[in-house]
Amino acid sequence: DTEVTQTPKHLVMGMTNKKSLKCEQHMGHRAMYWYKQKAKKPPELMFVYSYEKLSINESVPSRFSPECPNSSLLNLHLHALQPEDSALYLCASSQSQGTIGTQYFGPGTRLLVL
Amino acid sequence: KQEVTQIPAALSVPEGENLVLNCSFTDSAIYNLQWFRQDPGKGLTSLLLIQSSQREQTSGRLNASLDKSSGRSTLYIAASQPGDSATYLCAVSDGNQFYFGTGTSLTVIP
Repeated sequence: DTEVTQTPKHLVMGMTNKKSLKCEQHMGHRAMYWYKQKAKKPPELMFVYSYEKLSINESVPSRFSPECPNSSLLNLHLHALQPEDSALYLCASSQSQGTIGTQYFGPGTRLLVL
Repeated sequence: KQEVTQIPAALSVPEGENLVLNCSFTDSAIYNLQWFRQDPGKGLTSLLLIQSSQREQTSGRLNASLDKSSGRSTLYIAASQPGDSATYLCAVSDGNQFYFGTGTSLTVIP
């Protein structure tokens, strides 16, 4: 099973809402990633978790809060977002952080902030 | 910081043609390079992974090569089909994270 799942598929939220994106993998991977992708642009790295610890935070605003409750799950908590945060949010996992193995992506969550 | 460039940005070919997509990176100290395809509004599908010690990888009609010293990788697609139409992205790993290229949008015309 090489699947990474993400929920929800679509999300519409107002600027005062709090919501969470979820990501799950059962490949035994120890590195998990959040990316943000705007239309016709490559994915931009937001966070990397390695062995359930935050390894990289690419200067992402605090209105985005990641959480890795266990080795299979990765959450992204959203609060007080801006319309420019509307994008496709992609989760990925790999066997380890960047050194070996393929990076597998989920289908993404399409987020619209009104 | 690693910079990854893909040329061309867009490519349109008739069905059946063989084609080459290019990926260039500025820092040759890489662990691996991965090629992905992305359909509109979807996630990324991994096509091929080349470790830094390898020169090429093949999967079906796809062949990817890697020349670390010159900072280049190519993705060769043989006998293109309309179903190959998608955006193709390369990503380079420095051992901590993956750096994505700008992508090539491919259209295969029936």
